[in-house]
Amino acid sequence: SQQGEEDPQALSIQEGENATMNCSYKTSINNLQWYRQNSGRGLVHLILIRSNEREKHSGRLRVTLDTSKKSSSLLITASRAADTASYFCATPQSGSARQLTFGSGTQLTVLP
Amino acid sequence: SAVISQKPSRDICQRGTSLTIQCQVDSQVTMMFWYRQQPGQSLTLIATANQGSEATYESGFVIDKFPISRPNLTFSTLTVSNLSPEDSSIYLCSVGDAANSPLHFGNGTRLTVT
Repeated sequence: SQQGEEDPQALSIQEGENATMNCSYKTSINNLQWYRQNSGRGLVHLILIRSNEREKHSGRLRVTLDTSKKSSSLLITASRAADTASYFCATPQSGSARQLTFGSGTQLTVLP
Repeated sequence: SAVISQKPSRDICQRGTSLTIQCQVDSQVTMMFWYRQQPGQSLTLIATANQGSEATYESGFVIDKFPISRPNLTFSTLTVSNLSPEDSSIYLCSVGDAANSPLHFGNGTRLTVT
């Protein structure tokens, strides 16, 4: 079963705008990860945030984590057409530190 | 980070046949994971392939339908047996370097069953 639910399911923005995606999860975690998938290809890891961190940055990406609300957000600033992809949050599966459970995903379209 | 080669990248198979997907990693890894992604959906873990022991299957997935081999620490295969149109999906293998670390994915195998 899906651990994480993401919203929105789909997001369409203009190039240069910011994109925000949200992820909610159900159980206690020690980290949360974000991945990108380009048109049905393999997933690429973007960023990992640990449960004792509240915010993390990587280039144009900013991830926040609120463990009290069991939620995370991914912000992409100054979006580009190349950012068009599906974005997934993932959390360690209950009882395992290696197996991940993926959220439902957000399909981001950046219009030139 | 590990580099994963997965093949075939895509295939079209007839109902009732089987497809074997290969996953080669450029370094030794303890665990390899096989995921399924149905059209427009997220990823679902099929099983964990352990070297030297049988694969561990997730609820809803059985060895008869998804036999897995793991002959060494750099290679695994997933077979999807007795294909039906409902098996049309992307199948992905992945590895993790350590506990609580990111996964690295192959480019996936897009299977279409006619």
